Amino acid sequence: GDSVTQMEGPVTLSEEAFLTINCTYTATGYPSLFWYVQYPGEGLQLLLKATKADDKGSNKGFEATYRKETTSFHLEKGSVQVSDSAVYFCALAKLSFGAGTTVTVRA
Amino acid sequence: GAVVSQHPSWVICKSGTSVKIECRSLDFQATTMFWYRQFPKQSLMLMATSNEGSKATYEQGVEKDKFLINHASLTLSTLTVTSAHPEDSSFYICSARDNILETQYFGPGTRLLVL
Repeated sequence: GDSVTQMEGPVTLSEEAFLTINCTYTATGYPSLFWYVQYPGEGLQLLLKATKADDKGSNKGFEATYRKETTSFHLEKGSVQVSDSAVYFCALAKLSFGAGTTVTVRA
Repeated sequence: GAVVSQHPSWVICKSGTSVKIECRSLDFQATTMFWYRQFPKQSLMLMATSNEGSKATYEQGVEKDKFLINHASLTLSTLTVTSAHPEDSSFYICSARDNILETQYFGPGTRLLVL
């Protein structure tokens, strides 16, 4: 069945560091792909999405490109801030979620 | 953007009582809503898919008589935890699917503590 494999955390970075969270998927067809973010004490929020191969989703400085050939949707941000500390989830349109990656950014 | 609300945001109850959690889509209609459970520091576990006007579809291992789901309108789904026990204490999250945007929007979650 459909599944998502996400890079395990936790990840601890310094401010302005480069962040990458790997996500690969297994699915029939070409589902839409999503990254959700959960800030401490809050519910999940959609961060970005891509609906077809080679699409790039972007928001708040984060980017992810839908790579059909590698079945990946890695999340990247060039310069993280303390406010980016959160748990990030990769997900398929068919409701398969990755395990979540906790990111902590230190000043 | 789309907003999904949940009520209550937190609830404490005695063992053996039933608790109802509401999930509402505030500015769009959702024929499909989903209920998740999230344990501390873990991912979301899909419990069931709620379809307006029909019976919910439960994931394997989820007791349908324990977790009653009703989706009576296009903007409201309810989850009732019947005869709650301490092991039911968890963070329950609902989401509603915007079919046009093919995107799920999540509620803020309901924290349940059963004493």
